[in-house]
Amino acid sequence: GNSVTQMEGPVTLSEEAFLTINCTYTATGYPSLFWYVQYPGEGLQLLLKATKADDKGSNKGFEATYRKETTSFHLEKGSVQVSDSAVYFCALSVGGYQKVTFGTGTKLQVIP
Amino acid sequence: DAGITQSPRHKVTETGTPVTLRCHQTENHRYMYWYRQDPGHGLRLIHYSYGVKDTDKGEVSDGYSVSRSKTEDFLLTLESATSSQTSVYFCAISESSQRDYGYTFGSGTRLTVV
Repeated sequence: GNSVTQMEGPVTLSEEAFLTINCTYTATGYPSLFWYVQYPGEGLQLLLKATKADDKGSNKGFEATYRKETTSFHLEKGSVQVSDSAVYFCALSVGGYQKVTFGTGTKLQVIP
Repeated sequence: DAGITQSPRHKVTETGTPVTLRCHQTENHRYMYWYRQDPGHGLRLIHYSYGVKDTDKGEVSDGYSVSRSKTEDFLLTLESATSSQTSVYFCAISESSQRDYGYTFGSGTRLTVV
């Protein structure tokens, strides 16, 4: 089946620190990969995506590269801000009515 | 913002009672989904719909049913609520079944079963 494994949280960083959140996956078929972000009390928002090997998704200073050889899609940001504090979900879809499989989420807290 | 609203936003109900949650969209998207969010589990798919009157089960469908009589509305019913169904429920929509489209989510319904 399909599954997504994310690093355990919470992750606590100082403002302007470098962020990495690890994500690996297993999939039947060729997946598209996504990162979603959830701010407190809100629904999830699509942050970025990549649809084929070696693609890099990017948005709002966040980046992730689709690594087929290591089945990974790690999220990075060069300099985090307090406003980046949220829960981040890695996810995949292999088609078939676009059913998406989510990881368990990683909570990020950025302190001033 | 995408036009997707969930109601109610919060609900407390007693064990054994039926409960219906509503998802309403104004985007005319064909595909709609219900997920539940629980600590340590992330989001898990309950049911989904690929058109009016066309629905199917997800990975955690036991104890839930859905209906879609109009494109814009997707209802989730807990037939007889149990404490294990205490959760945050999210509705999502997508304009395509292709794997490279993402979801747009509603703001969620926090359900407590006492």
